[in-house]
Amino acid sequence: DGGITQSPKYLFRKEGQNVTLSCEQNLNHDAMYWYRQDPGQGLRLIYYSQIVNDFQKGDIAEGYSVSREKKESFPLTVTSAQKNPTAFYLCASTWATDAGELFFGEGSRLTVL
Amino acid sequence: QKEVEQDPGPLSVPEGAIVSLNCTYSNSAFQYFMWYRQYSRKGPELLMYTYSSGNKEDGRFTAQVDKSSKYISLFIRDSQPSDSATYLCAMSEGAQKLVFGQGTRLTINP
Repeated sequence: DGGITQSPKYLFRKEGQNVTLSCEQNLNHDAMYWYRQDPGQGLRLIYYSQIVNDFQKGDIAEGYSVSREKKESFPLTVTSAQKNPTAFYLCASTWATDAGELFFGEGSRLTVL
Repeated sequence: QKEVEQDPGPLSVPEGAIVSLNCTYSNSAFQYFMWYRQYSRKGPELLMYTYSSGNKEDGRFTAQVDKSSKYISLFIRDSQPSDSATYLCAMSEGAQKLVFGQGTRLTINP
């Protein structure tokens, strides 16, 4: 079945540690996105990529890093520089020319202890 | 001021009621308007998609866009307990970059 797979679903991390969240899609989508969701704040864009080996910062990129070495994969690293990393992280993808329909993964819940 | 404003609720209504969810926005360049539904601990899924002004109906759901007032609405008729979810409005100028509202948490009580 086609879709977006995020892993892990739940992750615990100690302060000062980096952690990488995985996002894989088999929908042949060109564009991929990472969003952060906090209660009462909706979805905020962290990074997005429209093509392999290229990506752009979103509204809240500080403390995060990404790579796009393959079309299917867009991993997100939450670094120790992120001041408040506990959140629900959502990966999404779409065709490059699409003006709205994002397909989302099931999300990864990161908790910093 | 946020580009997109949405009342976070929570909103609780009895089964069978008509539900009205709303968003306002400030960017007059937005042309594409969407409503996503998100069940607890899941990713959002697209529910309604509208280009420019007007109405769009899909079963029990109706989306309205009023660009002159910078206001969009989602109506749910004959609401069901399975409609209990968080509803997110989203909009964009064109391809690629969506701006989301805060989401409204809706509960339909049997």
